[in-house]
Amino acid sequence: DGGITQSPKYLFRKEGQNVTLSCEQNLNHDAMYWYRQDPGQGLRLIYYSQIVNDFQKGDIAEGYSVSREKKESFPLTVTSAQKNPTAFYLCASRPETGGTYEQYFGPGTRLTVT
Amino acid sequence: RKEVEQDPGPFNVPEGATVAFNCTYSNSASQSFFWYRQDCRKEPKLLMSVYSSGNEDGRFTAQLNRASQYISLLIRDSKLSDSATYLCVVIHLRDNQGGKLIFGQGTELSVKP
Repeated sequence: DGGITQSPKYLFRKEGQNVTLSCEQNLNHDAMYWYRQDPGQGLRLIYYSQIVNDFQKGDIAEGYSVSREKKESFPLTVTSAQKNPTAFYLCASRPETGGTYEQYFGPGTRLTVT
Repeated sequence: RKEVEQDPGPFNVPEGATVAFNCTYSNSASQSFFWYRQDCRKEPKLLMSVYSSGNEDGRFTAQLNRASQYISLLIRDSKLSDSATYLCVVIHLRDNQGGKLIFGQGTELSVKP
C-alpha cells in the first residue's frame, strides 16, 4: 500500500536528549514537510524539502534539524535546544509536479519530554 | 492577526442538523484553499478542495469568496461520524516556502444522537 509512515507513534524522552523522528513515504512524492501541532493550535511548519539533498527552514525551525538523503525519507531531529519539544509531530508529502498543492499526512508521532 | 482564522467552537449539533463553518484569511495573494478533517489524536485528512465556483461532495459544500477573503464549509444531514475538528487551510505560493500550507486552528464539531 502506498502511504506515509511515521515511527514511533509515541516517544518519551528526558530533557537534554536529542531524539530523531522517522518519516518514510512510498508515494514517489518530491516534497516533504514537518509540522508541529500543539493543543488548540493549528499546525506550524518546521522544515520542508522540495528535492533530495535540499531543505528549507519553516516558521519554527529553531531547535530542529533535518536531512533528505533519499527521496523516500525525511527524518526530523528534535535537539536539546528546542525549548518546548513536547508536541504532536506530523510529516506530510506532496508531488511537486501536476499543479496539485494538497498535502498528505502520516499518522504522526507524539513526543513527550520530561 | 492570524493569517487564517476560524471559530474554534465547539459546535454541538443533533444528528440531521445542517452546520456551517466559516474561515477568513488575511493574505489576498492566497491561491489554493482546502478543508481538512482531523479526528481526535489523528492526522489531518483532506476533506475537499475549495474552488472559486463553489463545489459539492455529497453532504458537504465548500464556498470561496475572494473579495471578502472568506471560505465556508456546509455540512447537511450531519452524522455522528462527522464529529471531528475541521481545519481551514490556505496556500499562497511564495518564493521560499514551496507551497506551504497555512492552517487555521480548527473548528470542533460534535454531533449528538
